[in-house]
Amino acid sequence: DAKTTQPPSMDCAEGRAANLPCNHSTISGNEYVYWYRQIHSQGPQYIIHGLKNNETNEMASLIITEDRKSSTLILPHATLRDTAVYYCIVPVTYSGGSNYKLTFGKGTLLTVNP
Amino acid sequence: GAGVSQTPSNKVTEKGKYVELRCDPISGHTALYWYRQSLGQGPEFLIYFQGTGAADDSGLPNDRFFAVRPEGSVSTLKIQRTERGDSAVYLCASSLTGTVYNSPLHFGNGTRLTVT
Repeated sequence: DAKTTQPPSMDCAEGRAANLPCNHSTISGNEYVYWYRQIHSQGPQYIIHGLKNNETNEMASLIITEDRKSSTLILPHATLRDTAVYYCIVPVTYSGGSNYKLTFGKGTLLTVNP
Repeated sequence: GAGVSQTPSNKVTEKGKYVELRCDPISGHTALYWYRQSLGQGPEFLIYFQGTGAADDSGLPNDRFFAVRPEGSVSTLKIQRTERGDSAVYLCASSLTGTVYNSPLHFGNGTRLTVT
């Protein structure tokens, strides 16, 4: 199972881009990278996921390096409401490779400052 | 639309008592997951259902914990003879198909269980 490494905390100024790194050097060719975040007292919230190509949605962009050993989640214009713990996860898949579960680490606490 | 609903939001019980925690997944979601989160930690996997069957219950800590999903929708997590160490937030999540390609998990806000 590919494990991930994230910094425990980061700070970002409101309105600036937040770039959250993640290392997953043992990832295999067919494993996805998922990002979730958890705002205080709420359940985790799905942000984005990808396999090889960079991905973008209304919440964020995901940049995956060509060797797939690391990725960066980008929040283009961080707001105070983006303060949360961000989790980078390589899911564990079951036989057949389709069904999966998430194994959470400790994530990165992103604090957006005014 | 309606998200994952968990009831109760808070539950206080005495050591040794039995508790049931309920999860209403998003309608039509076939996969359902239970997690437990202790203070300062990330969520810890407990059990995964695909339809009515438990596909993976490897995260249940011991035989005091049991979960069911009899009709493939609502699920109940049952804890017998509760202990103070069971105090945590219990999170439920569902996904449309459970496939890693395109079916992210949607989480509820959890049930905070306190065992006194």
